[in-house]
Amino acid sequence: AQSVTQLDSQVPVFEEAPVELRCNYSSSVSVYLFWYVQYPNQGLQLLLKYLSGSTLVESINGFEAEFNKSQTSFHLRKPSVHISDTAEYFCAVFRTAGNKLTFGGGTRVLVKP
Amino acid sequence: NAGVTQTPKFQVLKTGQSMTLQCAQDMNHEYMSWYRQDPGMGLRLIHYSVGAGITDQGEVPNGYNVSRSTTEDFPLRLLSAAPSQTSVYFCASSYEGLPNTEAFFGQGTRLTVV
Repeated sequence: AQSVTQLDSQVPVFEEAPVELRCNYSSSVSVYLFWYVQYPNQGLQLLLKYLSGSTLVESINGFEAEFNKSQTSFHLRKPSVHISDTAEYFCAVFRTAGNKLTFGGGTRVLVKP
Repeated sequence: NAGVTQTPKFQVLKTGQSMTLQCAQDMNHEYMSWYRQDPGMGLRLIHYSVGAGITDQGEVPNGYNVSRSTTEDFPLRLLSAAPSQTSVYFCASSYEGLPNTEAFFGQGTRLTVV
């Protein structure tokens, strides 16, 4: 069975500082990887995804994630965060059987002024 | 565009009561899913459907029923509510199977069972 581990449950960070959210997964087959963001009192929104090709994927709001097959990781980074990045971030792995996403436990990012 | 609409947004139930969480989408999506979100556990799949008339179980189906009589609607039924079902429930839909299409999530239903 696939599992997804997000190593940090909470990450406090100052505005304009960099942030890295760690995600490791376990799988013996090809994987598709996702990062979702959940702003307060809202549903999840897709932030970025890795399907194939370049191992570095970017979102429109400055986040990027790198797929590392040897380390089975898909860490999310942003070089300079804004107050508006305060949210909970979920890493997820997709498996084709049953169209199922397996989510990590989430990392809550609190950006401080 | 409404997207994925969940009702109600909040609900308090007594142990043993039954209720139905509603989910509707107006994007003509074939795939719909129900998840529950619990602190530190991310989202876990309860049931899913790949089209009208077709449903299947996810990771944590016990205590829940679903049906899919139309493409638009995918209600989740709690047969006899238990405190362990206190959670935030999310409905999601996608045009076809992932990963090639994006899954859209509703805003959630916060359920408390006392």
